[in-house]
Amino acid sequence: DTGVSQDPRHKITKRGQNVTFRCDPISEHNRLYWYRQTLGQGPEFLTYFQNEAQLEKSRLLSDRFSAERPKGSFSTLEIQRTEQGDSAMYLCASSLDGQLNSPLHFGNGTRLTVT
Amino acid sequence: GNSVTQMEGPVTLSEEAFLTINCTYTATGYPSLFWYVQYPGEGLQLLLKATKADDKGSNKGFEATYRKETTSFHLEKGSVQVSDSAVYFCALSAFGGGADGLTFGKGTHLIIQP
Repeated sequence: DTGVSQDPRHKITKRGQNVTFRCDPISEHNRLYWYRQTLGQGPEFLTYFQNEAQLEKSRLLSDRFSAERPKGSFSTLEIQRTEQGDSAMYLCASSLDGQLNSPLHFGNGTRLTVT
Repeated sequence: GNSVTQMEGPVTLSEEAFLTINCTYTATGYPSLFWYVQYPGEGLQLLLKATKADDKGSNKGFEATYRKETTSFHLEKGSVQVSDSAVYFCALSAFGGGADGLTFGKGTHLIIQP
């Protein structure tokens, strides 16, 4: 079990720059989720995919945030024109099926610092 | 909307002490309830879950019972170990909102001293 892999582990960027994070889920998992976690808070749901279809994106924090999963395998989360308030840990998770039937497996996250 | 409230940390206990971490929730419909744990330097892991009222989830000596009448899902362990030191998150999943995303509490940092 290789687990959920996220890259990079850390990203430092200047305000106004664009950043892209990658998530590789467990290979047979159909569902892929993105969460954001700020210091002292629990993870906050952003969006999720069933294979390549993005089934929920209304929770994305603004139109600067977008996510893709073009072939139903890995996913990318892009933040355009970053702001200091975007500094957080971005978590990816995958599951075989819906959450009642199979647990979410989380990656270790990408920590974003916007200066 | 859906929300989860759990006790503030850090919680510091001695080894072999009894643990309770309180969790209450607000949700529409009938949510499923979860406890996740995050050990230092690792990703979140599912600890236990319960999908309907009066269900008891259990794993690694931890237990939690889904109490619909008090909207609670308190985490308990009879005798904690140093290796239980971690951050614990209570979460719910409420279908009907359509998002299929978990709603998490803020987390409780547990420190077990030898």
